[in-house]
Amino acid sequence: NAGVTQTPKFQVLKTGQSMTLQCAQDMNHNSMYWYRQDPGMGLRLIYYSASEGTTDKGEVPNGYNVSRLNKREFSLRLESAAPSQTSVYFCASSEVPGGSNTEAFFGQGTRLTVV
Amino acid sequence: AQRVTQPEKLLSVFKGAPVELKCNYSYSGSPELFWYVQYSRQRLQLLLRHISRESIKGFTADLNKGETSFHLKKPFAQEEDSAMYYCALSKNSGYSTLTFGKGTMLLVSP
Repeated sequence: NAGVTQTPKFQVLKTGQSMTLQCAQDMNHNSMYWYRQDPGMGLRLIYYSASEGTTDKGEVPNGYNVSRLNKREFSLRLESAAPSQTSVYFCASSEVPGGSNTEAFFGQGTRLTVV
Repeated sequence: AQRVTQPEKLLSVFKGAPVELKCNYSYSGSPELFWYVQYSRQRLQLLLRHISRESIKGFTADLNKGETSFHLKKPFAQEEDSAMYYCALSKNSGYSTLTFGKGTMLLVSP
């Protein structure tokens, strides 16, 4: 099982450029998430999708948009990249939200640098 | 809103020493607590959750509702335990995403 797959693994962008981070899961999970990981800040939720067809803002949504393309895929888009968006981005999925079944399965991460 | 606090950014111990990574939470309801681990160059993965009451890789964690804590413990640290550890909380009713602490880096020296 591949689990959660993210592409690309690394990316360097210039300020103002746009890009889309792709995420796909093969576990038939309903919920998917995008986190960013910054030193000293832990993991912060950017956006999530509780189920196919729904998306909601997390803790740090500014500067990002998401699309839940289907049950398997959840993409994150940076419309106009800024240096403050330099981070490691993680996609995750879970069977259902809430309680003990909220165990999240993570992708390997995308290291994004904005110069 | 719920919050998870991990007071130590870095915990450095020698091999064979006991380890305790602290986690405190604030949430008015009944939470589900988790510990996630990220080894170097690997993805974040679940280590254990309080509801299962398991011991994974020698680690245990007990939910103390009175002290609102979920500390991670291991009696004898090993070098392969060196990693970043995150405590996380989920509400136990209704829809809930995971709220993570800022993480503690554990370094186990030989």
